[in-house]
Amino acid sequence: NAGVMQNPRHLVRRRGQEARLRCSPMKGHSHVYWYRQLPEEGLKFMVYLQKENIIDESGMPKERFSAEFPKEGPSILRIQQVVRGDSAAYFCASSPIGGQGINEQFFGPGTRLTVL
Amino acid sequence: GDSVTQMEGPVTLSEEAFLTINCTYTATGYPSLFWYVQYPGEGLQLLLKATKADDKGSNKGFEATYRKETTSFHLEKGSVQVSDSAVYFCALIGTGNQFYFGTGTSLTVIP
Repeated sequence: NAGVMQNPRHLVRRRGQEARLRCSPMKGHSHVYWYRQLPEEGLKFMVYLQKENIIDESGMPKERFSAEFPKEGPSILRIQQVVRGDSAAYFCASSPIGGQGINEQFFGPGTRLTVL
Repeated sequence: GDSVTQMEGPVTLSEEAFLTINCTYTATGYPSLFWYVQYPGEGLQLLLKATKADDKGSNKGFEATYRKETTSFHLEKGSVQVSDSAVYFCALIGTGNQFYFGTGTSLTVIP
């Protein structure tokens, strides 16, 4: 059973471009969470999604950031018009059952975004 | 609000030394507490957890006890190995069932 997969592992963008980060949860998991890890900081929750639904996006910046988890295919975190401050590691996690706290979340290896 | 404060690193130890990484928390109610480990180039892996006061989580020789009176969840290992070199994150499930992570403590174990 493959773990949580994220791609690309490294992404370089110039200011103003769009960044698309993909996350395929573990087989059988229908709950996906995105976190951002800024340099020298811990992970910060961004958004929690189920298939075709955003459950909690309280950690998402109000502008330029969006996330989706379609019925088919991976979850996508999209950052429009990237700025240097978006440079970070973005981690995806999945769980088989809903609610963040009760059940273990399984993390992917992360996508390291660098904005030039 | 809910938060986790953990010992700043980096920490460098010789093999077989005793390890303590301090973690204290602030939360409403009684959160579940976790330690995650991140090896170079990989995602976070759950190391251990405790869901109520006085519980002790343990795994791979690591231990942490949920201390409500001191709001702490310190990570300990009696004899570290080179393979334990990683970044360790303390975390809790807090208000709204969200994860709150500490800033991470980098551990390097030298032979």
